[in-house]
Amino acid sequence: EAQVTQNPRYLITVTGKKLTVTCSQNMNHEYMSWYRQDPGLGLRQIYYSMNVEVTDKGDVPEGYKVSRKEKRNFPLILESPSPNQTSLYFCASSLFSSGSGGEQFFGPGTRLTVL
Amino acid sequence: GEDVEQSLFLSVREGDSSVINCTYTDSSSTYLYWYKQEPGAGLQLLTYIFSNMDMKQDQRLTVLLNKKDKHLSLRIADTQTGDSAIYFCAERGAKLSFGAGTTVTVRA
Repeated sequence: EAQVTQNPRYLITVTGKKLTVTCSQNMNHEYMSWYRQDPGLGLRQIYYSMNVEVTDKGDVPEGYKVSRKEKRNFPLILESPSPNQTSLYFCASSLFSSGSGGEQFFGPGTRLTVL
Repeated sequence: GEDVEQSLFLSVREGDSSVINCTYTDSSSTYLYWYKQEPGAGLQLLTYIFSNMDMKQDQRLTVLLNKKDKHLSLRIADTQTGDSAIYFCAERGAKLSFGAGTTVTVRA
């Protein structure tokens, strides 16, 4: 089954404790992206990657890191989480960064709470 | 995001039509999308329209695009309780930008 998976689905942590949220897709997509969803703000892009070893900042990259060592995986790293990073996080992938259709497939989300 | 705006809430009676509106600012948009998010789930693409089209129909869904006014709408005919969800408008210009989402509540 074609899908984007994220782990963990739920995480409660404390300020300053480094964490990683994993994202994996099995559709051989070049483009992958991380979003955070906050009430009234919709989805805001954190980072994106157009291919292996190519990553770029989105609209709200501060406090986050990513890596793209393999095509299928795109982990999101919070080196020193803070309470303002409490949010719902989505990973997404697509076949093209732009162009024909360009539908993004979303993971199920990771709800992160930073105390 | 500020580039894409939509109203936050819509309440509709079961069986009526729902219309969700969206405005965007990027005149270079190539595709415009409607995504649906059910409680506890990720976003799923409902439909999309290419910017050189003004209408697209897919079963109960009708998308209207007014490129001059940068206005997009989604009409859901015969709204059912299963249509209760958050609906996101998104546009692909220089980047993919999402609106804040419209929460649609279907009442009996």
